[in-house]
Formats: sequence, structure tokens, C-alpha cells
Amino acid sequence: DAGITQSPRHKVTETGTPVTLRCHQTENHRYMYWYRQDPGHGLRLIHYSYGVKDTDKGEVSDGYSVSRSKTEDFLLTLESATSSQTSVYFCAISESGITRYTGELFFGEGSRLTVL
Amino acid sequence: GDSVTQMEGPVTLSEEAFLTINCTYTATGYPSLFWYVQYPGEGLQLLLKATKADDKGSNKGFEATYRKETTSFHLEKGSVQVSDSAVYFCALSSNNDMRFGAGTRLTVKP
Repeated sequence: DAGITQSPRHKVTETGTPVTLRCHQTENHRYMYWYRQDPGHGLRLIHYSYGVKDTDKGEVSDGYSVSRSKTEDFLLTLESATSSQTSVYFCAISESGITRYTGELFFGEGSRLTVL
Repeated sequence: GDSVTQMEGPVTLSEEAFLTINCTYTATGYPSLFWYVQYPGEGLQLLLKATKADDKGSNKGFEATYRKETTSFHLEKGSVQVSDSAVYFCALSSNNDMRFGAGTRLTVKP
């Protein structure tokens, strides 16, 4: 199994509070991703990173920010959580990234966030 | 943009039944296609993949063939087991993103 650890695994918070989810990898992969999983939508990309301090937006980035200060850590922050951000969040890593023609992801076990 | 459509289910089968989960895609060019599986309480795991037209991906008795002419990548298994109960996601590679279908929940009863 790929060495990917997400924390916390479960969190309940209130609307308006800041939340940070952490993804830690031991594979030394260059690329890291944050997805959210919602019923009827599958997984949708929030942000991704292609190196230390190099990040870019995904399909559903509004309300989220990320940071990557070390190869092994990728943080997802909700500055002011809303009920629409209640979801399961998955971190994924990739050695070579995803292009139009190829790519493979390895996933963490997920972080379930509930915003009341 | 690139997208994947799969039958949402849920699908309930008896043990040893034949499984088909349909997946079709819309994409520019010729992406790689994937099936991922998610067991309860876990992250997604790669089940199989195909990187070009007419390729067949296979793993653990599951198979899927990349059909360019019908833009499809249907998942099949000849005889399912209770341990196959999970959610299955079809996906395609796009620019800096993996596009997933909505997922199909499979329950196999003894």
C-alpha cells in the first residue's frame, strides 16, 4: 500500500470556523491532489500540487486553499467552513502526474468532514 | 470538458452471477481509462486500466476493454463473490486531473 496518511480522519465543526486537513506521504511522489467525494458526483478535484510551493486550482476550488512547504505534506484549508463543504476529502499522490494520455493515482483513506 | 458517465446503481447480485457495469466517456483525444474500487471505509484503489483503443485491462477476474468506436469501457466479471461488494468508479485521465464517474455500488449476496 502507498504510504499516505490523512488527518484528521473525522471532524465535526461549525459554520464559519477554519479547518485544516493534512495529507502526509512517504513515497516521495512529486504530485499531490485533494479531491472531495459527494453522492452523485463521484470525486472532484479541489487543488493539486506539482512540487514544493507549486499548486494550482482544480474543478471545485472556491472556498479552499492549499499549501505545500515540504514534499511529503499537502495541507487543505477551509478558511470559513460552510455546510456545503460537508464531504469526504481524499488526498491522492502520483509519481508522474496526470496528463491527457496517462496517469495513475494512489489514494489515502479519506477525511470525513461535517459542517453544522 | 472531459467527462465520464456510468450507471449509478445500486446493483445487487447473487454470488456467482455475471456482472456488467457500464461506462461511457467524452474526451478530446485518447485518454487512458481506469476502474477504481472503494471498499467500505477505505480510499479508492486502482482495479485495472487501459491506455489505448482495443486494450483490455484485467485484474482479480475483472475485465474492461477500451472501445474507441463506442467510447465505452464497461466493467465485467464472470462470477462475483461477496467480497466484491464495493463502490466502483470509472475514470479517465485529463490535463492534470482524473475525471471520475458518479460511482456504482455493488452488493453481492450469498
